[in-house]
Amino acid sequence: GAVVSQHPSWVICKSGTSVKIECRSLDFQATTMFWYRQFPKQSLMLMATSNEGSKATYEQGVEKDKFLINHASLTLSTLTVTSAHPEDSSFYICSAINSGRARNEQYFGPGTRLTVT
Amino acid sequence: GQQVMQIPQYQHVQEGEDFTTYCNSSTTLSNIQWYKQRPGGHPVFLIQLVKSGEVKKQKRLTFQFGEAKKNSSLHITATQTTDVGTYFCAGSSAYNQGGKLIFGQGTELSVKP
Repeated sequence: GAVVSQHPSWVICKSGTSVKIECRSLDFQATTMFWYRQFPKQSLMLMATSNEGSKATYEQGVEKDKFLINHASLTLSTLTVTSAHPEDSSFYICSAINSGRARNEQYFGPGTRLTVT
Repeated sequence: GQQVMQIPQYQHVQEGEDFTTYCNSSTTLSNIQWYKQRPGGHPVFLIQLVKSGEVKKQKRLTFQFGEAKKNSSLHITATQTTDVGTYFCAGSSAYNQGGKLIFGQGTELSVKP
């Protein structure tokens, strides 16, 4: 149980285009999901908290108009990188908290590797 | 803002040696979680500590949460090559922030057979 999927697992796009990444909780409902970015050999940097049915909460320094987050259902959150640039190339990982459990353990997706050329 | 510092950044050990990574938070935590990330993989939950002074064991892994709930450690006894990966601590603030975690920088463990 507690499986989180991400799609796509990797994507290459041209500079200036937009890319959408999906995060799904497969066997549980997730009121709250999180989006992280991880550069090589570095830690996970929290970008935003995605709340079902409401606006996402962005961390300081993360442009909300560039990284659009939509959490339209209890099992799906999407991150759209708009007008992508090479510096946006990174490993994007989502996580989800099981709404049905008291413990706030985060279940991580397998990540999406984005390369912007 | 809240910061979580983790040391060391890298640790190279001979198989069979012990390994410890330490985590310190700038603020009091409601809980601390530990994750392991294998090369090329995603973080996998290991454990959560909630109580002040708590100690939990998972086979060769021992996790501790400090009395002040601001620091934690992970100790691996007699490392094996399967222990290779990066170990992250992640703290949840004592002030309700909806389960948000702040990750430490991670400790990358390499084990020489």
